[in-house]
Amino acid sequence: DGGITQSPKYLFRKEGQNVTLSCEQNLNHDAMYWYRQDPGQGLRLIYYSQIVNDFQKGDIAEGYSVSREKKESFPLTVTSAQKNPTAFYLCASSQDRTTEAFFGQGTRLTVV
Amino acid sequence: AQSVTQLDSQVPVFEEAPVELRCNYSSSVSVYLFWYVQYPNQGLQLLLKYLSGSTLVKGINGFEAEFNKSQTSFHLRKPSVHISDTAEYFCAVSGGGSNYKLTFGKGTLLTVNP
Repeated sequence: DGGITQSPKYLFRKEGQNVTLSCEQNLNHDAMYWYRQDPGQGLRLIYYSQIVNDFQKGDIAEGYSVSREKKESFPLTVTSAQKNPTAFYLCASSQDRTTEAFFGQGTRLTVV
Repeated sequence: AQSVTQLDSQVPVFEEAPVELRCNYSSSVSVYLFWYVQYPNQGLQLLLKYLSGSTLVKGINGFEAEFNKSQTSFHLRKPSVHISDTAEYFCAVSGGGSNYKLTFGKGTLLTVNP
């Protein structure tokens, strides 16, 4: 089945540690996105990528980093510089600007 | 820079009543507009989208939205809601030109009461 896979579903880390969230898609989509979802804040864009080996900062990129070495993969690293990393993270992909974005099931990150 | 404002964070309505969820956007270029729905404990699903042409677009589950360029609005409507429409609704804008940036609003929680 085609879709987007985020792993793990739940992730716990100690404060000060970097952590990488996985996002893989087999839809052959060009564009991929990372969002953070907090109660009452909607979906806030962290990073997006339109093509392999290229990505752009979103609205809340500070404390995060990404890579896009393969079309199907767009991992997100939450660094120790992110001041409030505990959140629900959603990955999405789309073919282009006019088509539907498909979302993964999300990763809930808890930093203690 | 593009942005989306959803004017109501919560909208409670009774079953079979009409509903309108409001969305305004800002952008310096032409944009594409979307409405997504998120049911409890599920992912996001596309309801409808506006790309060009007719300003009234129809989506799934009886929803429709009207694009108003002069008011930079894209309000979502349904003439008669059901209990099963209880969910969070997100308006989104995709940038014009070659920009693939996809920006969402803060969401509106629609609660349909019996």
